[in-house]
Amino acid sequence: QLQLQESGPGLVKPSETLSLTCTVSGVSISTLGHYWGWIRQPPGKGLEWIGTVYHSGTTYYNPSLKSRVTLSLDTSKNHFSLRLSSVTAADTAVYYCARLFWSGFNWFDPWGQGTLVTVSS
Amino acid sequence: DIQMTQSPSSLSASVGDRVTITCRASQSISTYLNWYQHKPGKAPKLLIYAASSLQSGVPSRFSGSGSGTDFTLTISSLQLEDFATYYCQQSYRTSLYTFGQGTKLEIK
Repeated sequence: QLQLQESGPGLVKPSETLSLTCTVSGVSISTLGHYWGWIRQPPGKGLEWIGTVYHSGTTYYNPSLKSRVTLSLDTSKNHFSLRLSSVTAADTAVYYCARLFWSGFNWFDPWGQGTLVTVSS
Repeated sequence: DIQMTQSPSSLSASVGDRVTITCRASQSISTYLNWYQHKPGKAPKLLIYAASSLQSGVPSRFSGSGSGTDFTLTISSLQLEDFATYYCQQSYRTSLYTFGQGTKLEIK
């Protein structure tokens, strides 16, 4: 059964870099047809797509975050990572990782439980 | 960006009610539309993909319809476990996925 689990610091100081890892179990992240994404939810707000990384390493980022975001894969550890630089309080959110399944159409499923990251000094 | 607008933003209903949530895209997205259920502290759960396909394991009381710019999610007979927030998401533009703002379904 495919499962995803986010991990990383729950508190990050303003101007520093937020780093999260999503550990995948049940499938290899390099499997064709499987892509991997990050989505976040600020307190009291809706869901915002951050970016997607394909098994080839190709990445797509939300233009609103593109200058600060880096997604990467580590196939040896079967996990993928998010780095968001120069964070501010506006980056405080629950961060979710998810598989982007592609079969003609595409959708995010399953999702990790999410991890709350607070940006504060 | 493809803007996704859900209505209503919140909804009060009773167990057994039939409920419909609407999602409108700012441009045609064919049937590249997904629906998710989200409960506090839990992972969002895929309900419907490609506008009308029921994800495996999701109860048949959930259904989706629509194409182009207008979509609906219907719950035929609300159960207690259905009270949650529901989001639509367009998967037409894969370089910039966008979600609706959410519809919070509460117990009346």
